[in-house]
Amino acid sequence: EVQLVQSGGEVKKPGESLQISCKGSGYSFNTYWIGWMRQMPGKGLEWMGIIYPGDYDTRYSPSLQGQVTISADKSIRTAYLQWSSLKASDTGMYYCARQGSSSDAFDIWGQGAVVTVSS
Amino acid sequence: QSALTQPPSVSGSPGQSVTIPCTGTSSDIGGYKSVSWYQHHPGKAPKLMIYDVNKRPSGVPDRFSGSKSGNTASLTISGLQAEDETDYFCCSYAGNYTYVFGTTTKVTVL
Repeated sequence: EVQLVQSGGEVKKPGESLQISCKGSGYSFNTYWIGWMRQMPGKGLEWMGIIYPGDYDTRYSPSLQGQVTISADKSIRTAYLQWSSLKASDTGMYYCARQGSSSDAFDIWGQGAVVTVSS
Repeated sequence: QSALTQPPSVSGSPGQSVTIPCTGTSSDIGGYKSVSWYQHHPGKAPKLMIYDVNKRPSGVPDRFSGSKSGNTASLTISGLQAEDETDYFCCSYAGNYTYVFGTTTKVTVL
């Protein structure tokens, strides 16, 4: 079965660092782009960025560049979203999703991970 | 990049059709044939329903169809069923390897 499994929810304090993960299985992980999206409370989804695990080519949303780091480790079929210093405004649900091979639609999604940043 | 605009809610009776518009600009929807639609039951992973404006992945009922005119894409659900009641959102390529999502529409089956 093709699936993306994300790490669990996190509760952090402002200023702390965090890395959440997205592990792919059932397909050739290296040859599909993986995107990260966030959904703030009561809002629609926002595209954050995308990475190609095969060569680690990474693109970011212009509005988020510098605020997060997207990475991957193809040896363990896992993509990551990382913050060096969390803010309360980072609170939300975060999804990873795979881009399809024949189009750039996101055909497989992770289950989501809730990140709560509160003092 | 601004989010694509969708109505907060649409509703219809069983068997009727509903259409969800998704309005963007010439820099996203109007500029590319890369619009996709997703069904999202809260708490679950979103599901791809339409890609490349009007193509259906295997397994998606043909009650779901997509179209685009100018800067607006639309998802139409024909023969509305109770199980279709949930959230839907659109997505468009916006150039330079970036993407933009819609604001999400809740479909209610009356």
